[in-house]
Amino acid sequence: NAGVTQTPKFRVLKTGQSMTLLCAQDMNHEYMYWYRQDPGMGLRLIHYSVGEGTTAKGEVPDGYNVSRLKKQNFLLGLESAAPSQTSVYFCASSYSHEQYFGPGTRLTVT
Amino acid sequence: GENVEQHPSTLSVQEGDSAVIKCTYSDSASNYFPWYKQELGKRPQLIIDIRSNVGEKKDQRIAVTLNKTAKHFSLHITETQPEDSAVYFCAASDNDMRFGAGTRLTVKP
Repeated sequence: NAGVTQTPKFRVLKTGQSMTLLCAQDMNHEYMYWYRQDPGMGLRLIHYSVGEGTTAKGEVPDGYNVSRLKKQNFLLGLESAAPSQTSVYFCASSYSHEQYFGPGTRLTVT
Repeated sequence: GENVEQHPSTLSVQEGDSAVIKCTYSDSASNYFPWYKQELGKRPQLIIDIRSNVGEKKDQRIAVTLNKTAKHFSLHITETQPEDSAVYFCAASDNDMRFGAGTRLTVKP
């Protein structure tokens, strides 16, 4: 039982490049979330999903897209990376309220 | 949307003392209030949570209180130990979770 995993752990992008972050959970949770964490700002919700095939915008969705084609996976895409997207990205999943977090992805955009 | 404010941003206590972190929220529909602990370079870990139908909850050295009328909730850590040193986040949730900015707690031996 791996819980919540994230791929990759680290990534450096140049401005304008695209990439996809993968989140996977093996707990059969319906809800999944993507957050970004910046110094002094806590965790901010980017997008979330309440079930397979559904997605919704969170607090800071601009510049990101998501997809939930399979219940166990939640993908976060950056179509054209910007330096302002340099951050640590955390995925989480939940059955009801309690959220379980992945280990994070540190992304740097130069 | 929901707005969560957390105070203080940093807190330093002597080992054995108590630590209190306070949060306020704006959306009266919020009904779930978790607290997370995050050590340097690690993922946030849930340490305690409270739902809106309960005023207080305790788990060993950790307690949380909730005042729905005033829209504030607090984390209390008693008999602090050096391993309690970390960043603590409060959050409030109805449909989606909003986090406070965090409190960096340092427990001096």
